[in-house]
Amino acid sequence: DQQVKQNSPSLSVQEGRISILNCDYTNSMFDYFLWYKKYPAEGPTFLISISSIKDKNEDGRFTVFLNKSAKHLSLHTVPSQPGDSAVYFCAAHGGATNKLIFGTGTLLAVQP
Amino acid sequence: DTEVTQTPKHLVMGMTNKKSLKCEQHMGHRAMYWYKQKAKKPPELMFVYSYEKLSINESVPSRFSPECPNSSLLNLHLHALQPEDSALYLCASSQKIGVYSNQPQHFGDGTRLSIL
Repeated sequence: DQQVKQNSPSLSVQEGRISILNCDYTNSMFDYFLWYKKYPAEGPTFLISISSIKDKNEDGRFTVFLNKSAKHLSLHTVPSQPGDSAVYFCAAHGGATNKLIFGTGTLLAVQP
Repeated sequence: DTEVTQTPKHLVMGMTNKKSLKCEQHMGHRAMYWYKQKAKKPPELMFVYSYEKLSINESVPSRFSPECPNSSLLNLHLHALQPEDSALYLCASSQKIGVYSNQPQHFGDGTRLSIL
């Protein structure tokens, strides 16, 4: 049973525009959510996170929104840059174990 | 540049070989993790070490044997692996684990393992 889902396998946006990546989860015990970016032949790179006590967190071009009632989070990136082209994973964990549950990933392509 | 270093980057081994994957971090993190990632799939947790003690084993077969010699090092000993064990093995670390310790995990670039 997939507890964290990214329903869009891929997304294409124009350089300079906003990209919005979506993630849904089913486990209401999750209390911390993260976004990672992954280039081929590299490990996941941490981008931004949000605690369940917040509904928004910003860091530079990246903003993560959390809607707990809908069990939904999204990553907004503006302006998009060609270097943002990568696979993006959302992840979640809850409780004492720090066990991360990853979504299936979305391949973002930023067109020049 | 990643602050979690994994060696080797690539490893090819036969099913009867014994090899080890190594992971090192110098961020003072006290939690370290092994993940396995198959192609086009998300990383899946294998083991968690907290303060050099094994705290989670996700029902991993005994042909994978983790070891945490000190707070900076994490090894994964491999023996009698199967072709289906071919994957990218990722190491990660975080400051600590525990209730309300919301800390991101930082990943190495992984070891690409191929079993012949």
